[in-house]
Amino acid sequence: DTAVSQTPKYLVTQMGNDKSIKCEQNLGHDTMYWYKQDSKKFLKIMFSYNNKELIINETVPNRFSPKSPDKAHLNLHINSLELGDSAVYFCASSRDPTFPPQETQYFGPGTRLLVL
Amino acid sequence: AQKVTQAQTEISVVEKEDVTLDCVYETRDTTYYLFWYKQPPSGELVFLIRRNSFDEQNEISGRYSWNFQKSTSSFNFTITASQVVDSAVYFCALNNFNKFYFGSGTKLNVKP
Repeated sequence: DTAVSQTPKYLVTQMGNDKSIKCEQNLGHDTMYWYKQDSKKFLKIMFSYNNKELIINETVPNRFSPKSPDKAHLNLHINSLELGDSAVYFCASSRDPTFPPQETQYFGPGTRLLVL
Repeated sequence: AQKVTQAQTEISVVEKEDVTLDCVYETRDTTYYLFWYKQPPSGELVFLIRRNSFDEQNEISGRYSWNFQKSTSSFNFTITASQVVDSAVYFCALNNFNKFYFGSGTKLNVKP
C-alpha cells in the first residue's frame, strides 16, 4: 500500500501548456505539501495545506495553483509552463503540524516534469 | 533566519568503510526538529530520523548513527561498514513553524 502517491511519475510537455500533478495520501494526515527539487537537487517548499486550507505559500509564480478537494488530496496545477519549471515535484504529508509541532513528513515518489 | 548547510557535496568510499555526513544548521529558535532523509537513485525521499532540539542523546540504528551537538549546531550522520546500497543523496533538514529547510544534500557513492 502506497502511503503517498503521485501521478504521473513522468511528464513531458511543451512550453505554454497547462498541466496538473495529482497527489493522494492514505495515512490519515491532516497536512500536505508540495516541494520542488531543481537540477542541483535543491529542495524547496512551495505550498502547504492543512485540512484543505492553505497555510504556507512561498514565493511561487501565480501560474502554480494548488487545489485540495479533501484532506487526502492535494493537486498542483501549472499554467503556461516555462522551461524553468522543469524539475522534480514532490508531494508530502504529515499529521497536523500545529499539535504536536514539527511532525515527520512522508514524501511521495516524485513527478519528473520536463518542459520542452 | 533558518539555514542548513551540508558542506560535503559528494563523498566516495569503498564498501565497508565508515563515513560521516556533516550537517550544520542555523536557527534562533529554541524549539526545532532536525531530520535526515535519504534519496536513492530511484528518486524517492525516505525518512531516516527525527530529533528534537531538547534531546541531545545520540542515536544508533543498525549501521546508522547520529550525533547531535547543540553547542556546535551540528547533526552529523555516520554509516558504519558502508554498503553499495547506501549510495544515495542524503539530506539534512530543519523544521520549525511548519516549514522544512533542507540542506543541499550530500551524494554518497559506495564502491564495491
